[in-house]
Amino acid sequence: KQEVTQIPAALSVPEGENLVLNCSFTDSAIYNLQWFRQDPGKGLTSLLLIQSSQREQTSGRLNASLDKSSGRSTLYIAASQPGDSATYLCAYYGGATNKLIFGTGTLLAVQP
Amino acid sequence: SAVISQKPSRDICQRGTSLTIQCQVDSQVTMMFWYRQQPGQSLTLIATANQGSEATYESGFVIDKFPISRPNLTFSTLTVSNMSPEDSSIYLCSVEEGGNTEAFFGQGTRLTVV
Repeated sequence: KQEVTQIPAALSVPEGENLVLNCSFTDSAIYNLQWFRQDPGKGLTSLLLIQSSQREQTSGRLNASLDKSSGRSTLYIAASQPGDSATYLCAYYGGATNKLIFGTGTLLAVQP
Repeated sequence: SAVISQKPSRDICQRGTSLTIQCQVDSQVTMMFWYRQQPGQSLTLIATANQGSEATYESGFVIDKFPISRPNLTFSTLTVSNMSPEDSSIYLCSVEEGGNTEAFFGQGTRLTVV
């Protein structure tokens, strides 16, 4: 069974801190991995997509890495801001299942 | 990136009734997906909708409960039928574009069944 674990489940940090969100998965045959942001009661916003052949992607203050051999991805957020407060979800596209498998998310609160 | 408009954004419905959720994409896409997100949970795929064919449902979801239409390459609907409080969830449509299968989502429909 494909599983995605996100640690921590919740995180509260003061504004300006750099932080790392973790995502681990059990499927070794992933096609890509995507990080999303979800505001309360809303849809998902795509943040970064990493192909299986890539090791990292960057967009602004966000950097995501992928280590397929260890089944891990991290999302690094630099200089966090209160506007970054949201739930962050990782999901991978499984080669065996041909669908997105989602983690349960990390709820981030950035305190002003 | 694809822009997806989903409506309604939220609704409160009586048990036993049905609600149809619409999803409009600003470009033609082959595959559209419908997800459910129960309170405090992550996303679960309901079905995949291809234009011109029957939707493909995931285990635990049936067409009688969640009928889907896909009349063209930019539009789809999901109906939640004979609703019960257990159907209270956020329902999301999604598309994937390009060979890299990046997924994009609508704003979600927050459904409460009373």
